[in-house]
Amino acid sequence: EAGVAQSPRYKIIEKRQSVAFWCNPISGHATLYWYQQILGQGPKLLIQFQNNGVVDDSQLPKDRFSAERLKGVDSTLKIQPAKLEDSAVYLCASSLIVTVLYEQYFGPGTRLTVT
Amino acid sequence: AQSVTQLGSHVSVSEGALVLLRCNYSSSVPPYLFWYVQYPNQGLQLLLKYTTGATLVKGINGFEAEFKKSETSFHLTKPSAHMSDAAEYFCAVSDRTNTGNQFYFGTGTSLTVIP
Repeated sequence: EAGVAQSPRYKIIEKRQSVAFWCNPISGHATLYWYQQILGQGPKLLIQFQNNGVVDDSQLPKDRFSAERLKGVDSTLKIQPAKLEDSAVYLCASSLIVTVLYEQYFGPGTRLTVT
Repeated sequence: AQSVTQLGSHVSVSEGALVLLRCNYSSSVPPYLFWYVQYPNQGLQLLLKYTTGATLVKGINGFEAEFKKSETSFHLTKPSAHMSDAAEYFCAVSDRTNTGNQFYFGTGTSLTVIP
C-alpha cells in the first residue's frame, strides 16, 4: 500500500512570495489533514477535510493560507504572501474516516524556508 | 483545549538501557492518548494508543506505555534501547468528546542512543 505522498520535499522562498504544497493521501482515505510543525514544536493542525469538505480550519491563518481538496482526493495548501514565521515543515496526513480511533498516516513533509 | 507536556526535550540512553520518555496531559476527563515516532526526514508513525480498557498498552518495536489517571501521565518505555530507536518522539492527546480527530501534540523528545 502506497503511503501519503507530498511534494516538493524542500522549498526556499523569499518573504512576500507565494508557495504551494501538494498532498496525495492513501487511496480510499476520506479524511485529510494539514499540519504545521515549527522547529522545536509538535505538529499543529491547520485544516482538516472530510472528502472535499472542510471539517475544521479554526487554526488556519486565513488571511494568507488557503487549502483545497478538489474531488476529495489530492489536496493543495497555499501560502500567499509568505512571512518569515511560516518557516516550518508542513505535514499532510490521512485516515480512513474522521474519528480519533482511526490512525492518521503521515507523509514525509515539505520543509519550507522563508528568507 | 487539551494540552500535553513532555518533560525533557532531549534524552540520551546507552544501548541496552531502559528508555523512559515522559508525557503528562491536562484534563479532568481522561483523553485518548497516543505516542508517535518521527525518524529523520520522515513523517510521524504511530507507536501505540490508549483509548479504553487495559491501562498498559503495547506498541510496535517493543515500546509500551501505561496510562495512570491519578498522575495524568502516559509515559513511554522500552526495556532495552537499540540504536535504531534514535528518533523524535511525540505524545499526543485527543478529547473523548471530540469527533473531529484533532490531536494536540507535545513539543517532542529527541532520543539519542549511545553505543
